[in-house]
Amino acid sequence: AQSVSQHNHHVILSEAASLELGCNYSYGGTVNLFWYVQYPGQHLQLLLKYFSGDPLVKGIKGFEAEFIKSKFSFNLRKPSVQWSDTAEYFCAVKPSNDYKLSFGAGTTVTVRA
Amino acid sequence: DGGITQSPKYLFRKEGQNVTLSCEQNLNHDAMYWYRQDPGQGLRLIYYSQIVNDFQKGDIAEGYSVSREKKESFPLTVTSAQKNPTAFYLCASSIDRSSYGYTFGSGTRLTVV
Repeated sequence: AQSVSQHNHHVILSEAASLELGCNYSYGGTVNLFWYVQYPGQHLQLLLKYFSGDPLVKGIKGFEAEFIKSKFSFNLRKPSVQWSDTAEYFCAVKPSNDYKLSFGAGTTVTVRA
Repeated sequence: DGGITQSPKYLFRKEGQNVTLSCEQNLNHDAMYWYRQDPGQGLRLIYYSQIVNDFQKGDIAEGYSVSREKKESFPLTVTSAQKNPTAFYLCASSIDRSSYGYTFGSGTRLTVV
């Protein structure tokens, strides 16, 4: 069974700072990778996903993530955060031939104006 | 608009009572899922169903039961055997086992007193 580890529980930044959230997974086969965001009081929303091809994936709202297969990592980045990026961020992994989507524990990001 | 409807948004029950959470989708998705969200633990998979009349246990199925009698509906029963039932419950669906189109509901917050 796959598992997902997110490195940081809570990150606090100032506006315009760069953001990087770590995500590592354990699974021996081919995987599909996702980052979701949950803004306060809102649904989970897909930021970006990777399933094949270019390991650098661009998503919505200026986010990107890089899949490094040798490190089993899928870190999320944003060059310059805004106050509106305050949210909880979840990394998720799914074996490519299975239904089961597993989530990390989440990272709460607080951006100070 | 297509989507997932979870009802009610807030639910209160007395300890020892079973309670059923509703999840309905009109997306014509084959697969449906139930997750439990707790602070600091992310989303943990309770049960999932690939097709009608079939479902599999997730990572934390103990104390829960499900049914999938119709494609559109995947109700979750939280039984009295669940030792810590107070949580936020999210229902999701996907077209199939591919990477496309996981859709999440708005959730039900269950409080057991």
